[in-house]
Amino acid sequence: DTEVTQTPKHLVMGMTNKKSLKCEQHMGHRAMYWYKQKAKKPPELMFVYSYEKLSINESVPSRFSPECPNSSLLNLHLHALQPEDSALYLCASSATGGADQPQHFGDGTRLSIL
Amino acid sequence: DQQVKQNSPSLSVQEGRISILNCDYTNSMFDYFLWYKKYPAEGPTFLISISSIKDKNEDGRFTVFLNKSAKHLSLHIVPSQPGDSAVYFCAAGTSGGGADGLTFGKGTHLIIQP
Repeated sequence: DTEVTQTPKHLVMGMTNKKSLKCEQHMGHRAMYWYKQKAKKPPELMFVYSYEKLSINESVPSRFSPECPNSSLLNLHLHALQPEDSALYLCASSATGGADQPQHFGDGTRLSIL
Repeated sequence: DQQVKQNSPSLSVQEGRISILNCDYTNSMFDYFLWYKKYPAEGPTFLISISSIKDKNEDGRFTVFLNKSAKHLSLHIVPSQPGDSAVYFCAAGTSGGGADGLTFGKGTHLIIQP
């Protein structure tokens, strides 16, 4: 069982919908991450939160809006997405950040945009 | 430009033999390297890591070797078992400092044949 829980597991939405992806961890980690993974591609970093503050935004379009309400939760708000945004969205956490502290991944949310 | 490269999309190994997965990187700033294993419909699971100050790290059946001068690392699995069949991602990042994301290779699909 993964220690990082992502909901929902699957999401189908239209281009005009607004939805949110949720991620939760109870390991006391203070760094949390969103990655996007397209089929047969590696995970690509989208956002990093460190101590509940956004520290890295990898030039992600504004139709993706991250939020970290507290140290255990990470949300990704979606609005006006495009078909090319269909992908697996992975959440991860690590103790305080830095590659020497391995990131623990959830099982992802598979997002399909109609 | 890919900073982490796994040039073998797939590898087939007989059960009981050694599996060797290779990874090359180009960014000299990377000082920490990790291997993740991924089953279908699950998130990546951390396997083993190595700091750039070492050239070898061993954990049970898994050993990672790092050749800094060649910017090359490899993962050895011995003996290979059927449950090792999965996609293996090489990842790299920087240690210490603030939270940072990982850069992943495209993955190698390892198939263990009985």
